[in-house]
Parts: sequence; C-alpha cells; structure tokens
Amino acid sequence: DQQVKQNSPSLSVQEGRISILNCDYTNSMFDYFLWYKKYPAEGPTFLISISSIKDKNEDGRFTVFLNKSAKHLSLHIVPSQPGDSAVYFCAASPGGSNYKLTFGKGTLLTVNP
Amino acid sequence: NAGVTQTPKFRILKIGQSMTLQCTQDMNHNYMYWYRQDPGMGLKLIYYSVGAGITDKGEVPNGYNVSRSTTEDFPLRLELAAPSQTSVYFCASSYQNTGNEQYFGPGTRLTVT
Repeated sequence: DQQVKQNSPSLSVQEGRISILNCDYTNSMFDYFLWYKKYPAEGPTFLISISSIKDKNEDGRFTVFLNKSAKHLSLHIVPSQPGDSAVYFCAASPGGSNYKLTFGKGTLLTVNP
Repeated sequence: NAGVTQTPKFRILKIGQSMTLQCTQDMNHNYMYWYRQDPGMGLKLIYYSVGAGITDKGEVPNGYNVSRSTTEDFPLRLELAAPSQTSVYFCASSYQNTGNEQYFGPGTRLTVT
C-alpha cells in the first residue's frame, strides 16, 4: 500500500509559468516532508523540506505548502525554467531521529522553452 | 569533496552470481542508506546504518546484506542474484542532525539475467 502518492506521472509547463507538483500521504505518523529532484543517470538531490509544524516553506523559486488535515503537500516552482525539467520525488519521514524516508513514484516535469 | 561515490556504474549478473556494490562518502556523515529504484517506482530503502558497526533493515532487505566497518564505507552484498534484483541502486548519506536531507550517489544499474 502506497503511503506517499504522486498521482501525476508527468507535467508539462511553459517557461516562465508556474509548475505545481502534488503529493498525498496516508500515514499520520509522517512528520517531515521533502522534495527531491532527479536528472537522468544521476542520484536524487535534496530540494526543499517542511516540518509538520509549518504550512509553508520558501527557498528562492521553490515553495512547499503543507495541508496536514488533507494530508497533502505541493511544490510550486515560479517561474519555471527549462533547467527545472527533471523527475521530482516527494518523500516523508516520521521525523525525530527516524530518518527512514518513504518516497512517492515521482512526477516528470518538462518545462518547454 | 567527492560526496557519495558508487562503483560500479553498470553491471550485468547471471542468476545465482554474487557481487558487492561499493559506496563511499567523504563528508564524515554518520548515517548511510541503500535504496533501490525499480522502473516507474519510487526509491525503496533496503538497509541503513546510523554509524560504524550498526546496521538495520529497511523496507526491502531480503536478498541483501550490508556491513559498516568504517564511517566512510557502506557496501551492499548480493549473495544469490535473482532477476527480481534488477534495479538501480542508490547509496546515500546524511548528517545525524539533518538526517532527512540525504546526499545521494549517482547509482549503480544492475541487470540480472
């Protein structure tokens, strides 16, 4: 049973527009959420995270929103750039000293020039 | 810093053969992890280690073994390769205090035929 779900396998946006990637989770014990970005033939790289005590975290063009009651988080990229084209993984952990991450299947973002 | 390095990059094994996937990090991280990623799926945790001499099972440990004799190295052993172990394997490491922000290696693509 998937505890972290990314229901959109792919997303295509125009350069300069907003990209919104969504993620849902089912495990109420998850307390910390992250987004990783992955280019082909490379390992994932950490992008941004959010603790359950917050509902928003921003880092430059990237913002993550968390809705705990809906068990939903989203990643906003504004403005989108062609270099943002990659697979984006949502991940969650119980927090504290438990660093075992549970990953979603990923969403392939394509930003068209 | 080289970060997290993995060898080999690619390998083809016959059923029943054994091999060791090597992983080394030069960031003095306490925590290290092994994940596998099957096509169209998210990463699944195989084994992890919170320090030299300490290892524990993740979500999918069957068919694998690990050891952690030094802080830097965390090899993954496949004893009797099976087609179900065809996957891309990623090693990762993290600091103790920010364990969710894991640094990944470039991966090893393994095919078992």
